Amino acid sequence: NAGVMQNPRHLVRRRGQEARLRCSPMKGHSHVYWYRQLPEEGLKFMVYLQKENIIDESGMPKERFSAEFPKEGPSILRIQQVVRGDSAAYFCASSPGRAGSYEQYFGPGTRLTVT
Amino acid sequence: RKEVEQDPGPFNVPEGATVAFNCTYSNSASQSFFWYRQDCRKEPKLLMSVYSSGNEDGRFTAQLNRASQYISLLIRDSKLSDSATYLCVVNPLTGGGNKLTFGTGTQLKVEL
Repeated sequence: NAGVMQNPRHLVRRRGQEARLRCSPMKGHSHVYWYRQLPEEGLKFMVYLQKENIIDESGMPKERFSAEFPKEGPSILRIQQVVRGDSAAYFCASSPGRAGSYEQYFGPGTRLTVT
Repeated sequence: RKEVEQDPGPFNVPEGATVAFNCTYSNSASQSFFWYRQDCRKEPKLLMSVYSSGNEDGRFTAQLNRASQYISLLIRDSKLSDSATYLCVVNPLTGGGNKLTFGTGTQLKVEL
């Protein structure tokens, strides 16, 4: 499967715990994006990363949220001290990073439930 | 004003019908435009990119009107499998960024 991979698909955390969401981009893609979809709402951009660089984090909440895309391994979205309002579907997308090629392809998402 | 606006629907149409969705966007500097479909809150899947000259892919035709900041999607000969939420998506491509701005989607239900 050469598509975008995300794990886990479902994650349950109690309030105050940490959540770690992983994303492996499509083969040949070097750009990764994270989006959040709250219940009954549209997808909202969170962060755009290239290997070892955060390009745009304008959609990230100021506190508790962080993202990385290390030289080796998947991109990680980390949410510390989760609250009920963090319950949502978190989608990762990837793109080739070539000029003129702006389509983004999405992974199956991680559904986070905070109890 | 929302950055991307769509009629939420639902559009209930019989199988075989032609249906059109419209979308407006507020950022006149936007550069790239797409239609995605989303099934039952699964991941969005790219349906087609939208170009100024218009483009067609089988039963699907997309049009872009930059002057009016308006995007459309036409589906001909609707199938039951076309039932989904259709997302209008805009990419401003400003400041070196590449973030997609999604509309809230238009729900389509194709019925027998």
